[in-house]
Amino acid sequence: AQTVTQSQPEMSVQEAETVTLSCTYDTSESDYYLFWYKQPPSRQMILVIRQEAYKQQNATENRFSVNFQKAAKSFSLKISDSQLGDAAMYFCAYNPRGGSNYKLTFGKGTLLTVNP
Amino acid sequence: DVKVTQSSRYLVKRTGEKVFLECVQDMDHENMFWYRQDPGLGLRLIYFSYDVKMKEKGDIPEGYSVSREKKERFSLILESASTNQTSMYLCASCITSTDTQYFGPGTRLTVL
Repeated sequence: AQTVTQSQPEMSVQEAETVTLSCTYDTSESDYYLFWYKQPPSRQMILVIRQEAYKQQNATENRFSVNFQKAAKSFSLKISDSQLGDAAMYFCAYNPRGGSNYKLTFGKGTLLTVNP
Repeated sequence: DVKVTQSSRYLVKRTGEKVFLECVQDMDHENMFWYRQDPGLGLRLIYFSYDVKMKEKGDIPEGYSVSREKKERFSLILESASTNQTSMYLCASCITSTDTQYFGPGTRLTVL
């Protein structure tokens, strides 16, 4: 079974600084998708960034980028120029490509605090 | 924009009651999901549906059932609510299984 591990239950960062959230996963599949989702306090969960495993290039979305290390099964999220609105719970998630497995497997989350 | 709505933000029920949580999406998505979110446990999949009237058990289906009579609506049913079902329930939908999932705002259920 696939597992997703987020080893940092909580992180904090100063406004305008950079922070990296860690995620590792365990799978025997060679093709899959990885996601970072953000859940702000009392608000809906939204997608931050999505990575396809067969693409070597790391995905980026504005101030958010990932460091995808396929051999190490690592998928960290870097937030640059942190803003107060980045404060949220962040979830890493894994989904195999193809087959009948429709399931996203989530990590337990990292609570990010942004200090002014 | 995709919109996923859930029938209630907060719900308080008594032990033994039958509870219905409803989820509606407006983007004609094939796949819909019900998750349970608990502190320190992340999101756990209860049930999902990949088509009308089709359903599959997730990781923690015990004590729950689902219904999908129309493509846009996916209901979660607690046949006899228990205190250990007090939790945040999130609904999500997506086009294909590997696409981005769009989440509803969640229903915080308290069972007394």
